[in-house]
Amino acid sequence: SQQGEEDPQALSIQEGENATMNCSYKTSINNLQWYRQNSGRGLVHLILIRSNEREKHSGRLRVTLDTSKKSSSLLITASRAADTASYFCATYNQGGKLIFGQGTELSVKP
Amino acid sequence: DAGVIQSPRHEVTEMGQEVTLRCKPISGHNSLFWYRQTMMRGLELLIYFNNNVPIDDSGMPEDRFSAKMPNASFSTLKIQPSEPRDSAVYFCASTLGAHMDEQFFGPGTRLTVL
Repeated sequence: SQQGEEDPQALSIQEGENATMNCSYKTSINNLQWYRQNSGRGLVHLILIRSNEREKHSGRLRVTLDTSKKSSSLLITASRAADTASYFCATYNQGGKLIFGQGTELSVKP
Repeated sequence: DAGVIQSPRHEVTEMGQEVTLRCKPISGHNSLFWYRQTMMRGLELLIYFNNNVPIDDSGMPEDRFSAKMPNASFSTLKIQPSEPRDSAVYFCASTLGAHMDEQFFGPGTRLTVL
């Protein structure tokens, strides 16, 4: 079963707007990671937030983690057309495997 | 740093043929992962190695799939015989230290089995 589930499955916004993607997971975690995948390319690690952290920033990215609700959100501020990609959250399960959700497909229109 | 290198980038083969996918992890990384991505099943972990030793191969779909890591700088994923349902993008990823760290992905191999 999926360890992480993203919501929404698809998101379409205008350039300059903010994009928010959510992720829910099922078991206790050591950390939660967000990855980006451009069409036809490999995944690129964006940010890692540890279980004892509540918020983390990296450039235009802001990630929050609520372990009580087993959820995380990824906010991309002032989006650009180049942000168009699929975004995945991932957590390690108890067997030590990194399990990815199905992803959110973000489309930023110029 | 060249990043994770995979070859070939694209492979088209006929059902029944043997397929070998290759991966060179980032130098110094000691964990290596093979994933398969399809529209239907998303991204699935097939197998991972730590210090060249297979740790968990429970994701390998069938005996037709095998993976090796003869040294720290090279791994192969072999499918023999290949079937049309094996068509997918296969990714290799590596990590530097503890395997719970971030993973660095290669560009993938797009496999089409006719």
